[in-house]
Amino acid sequence: EIVLTQSPGTLSLSPGERATLSCRPSQSVSSSYFAWYQQRPGQAPRLLIYGASSRATGIPDRFSGSGSGTDFTLTISRLEPEDFAVYYCQQYGSSLQTFGGGTKVEIK
Amino acid sequence: QVQLVQSGPEVKKPGASVRVSCKASGFTFTAYAIHWVRQAPGQRFEWLGWINAGNGNTRYSQKFQDRVTITRDTSATTAYMELRSLRSEDTAVYYCARVGTNDAFDMWGQGTMVTVSS
Repeated sequence: EIVLTQSPGTLSLSPGERATLSCRPSQSVSSSYFAWYQQRPGQAPRLLIYGASSRATGIPDRFSGSGSGTDFTLTISRLEPEDFAVYYCQQYGSSLQTFGGGTKVEIK
Repeated sequence: QVQLVQSGPEVKKPGASVRVSCKASGFTFTAYAIHWVRQAPGQRFEWLGWINAGNGNTRYSQKFQDRVTITRDTSATTAYMELRSLRSEDTAVYYCARVGTNDAFDMWGQGTMVTVSS
């Protein structure tokens, strides 16, 4: 099983600041099968990034993804009030797809 | 409207079974795969399995393959997930999700809370 380790667990920032979230797989994963999701309280997750760096339909360009192998990053260039949520990474290239433990982005 | 709508919350006793439905609308159901994942309190998402809504082929996580069955009814454009021999550790929110052309989960149901308690 590929374990995805997200850091930090919690990120305290102010609106307008830049957020940098990390996800490190326990073994190399294909960039083609790596995604990021946003989950607001009481809601289902929403796809933000697929293929490590491609934005999903309707996702603002302040969200960007990068990385490969065992080191992936989600960057939110300028935080908007609606961006304060929990973010999860996912790999779906192996027979058992797995998710990270999440990073909570909270208002400082 | 393009969406997945799941059935309502369930409370079950240990040893019982639960079936959760996932109704698709606004898109061609048989052209997609539907996956099921769950999120237990304080735990990370856990993948259960998926079904090809077109041909009905399924694949399950090894952890759940003895207890889970995923089916679909194409006339009702609905997928179903049945989990048997429930235990308290199965208490979680269960989600269905559609796999898009990008292979990621591009649409999710609203989630179904399943509580297992004696």
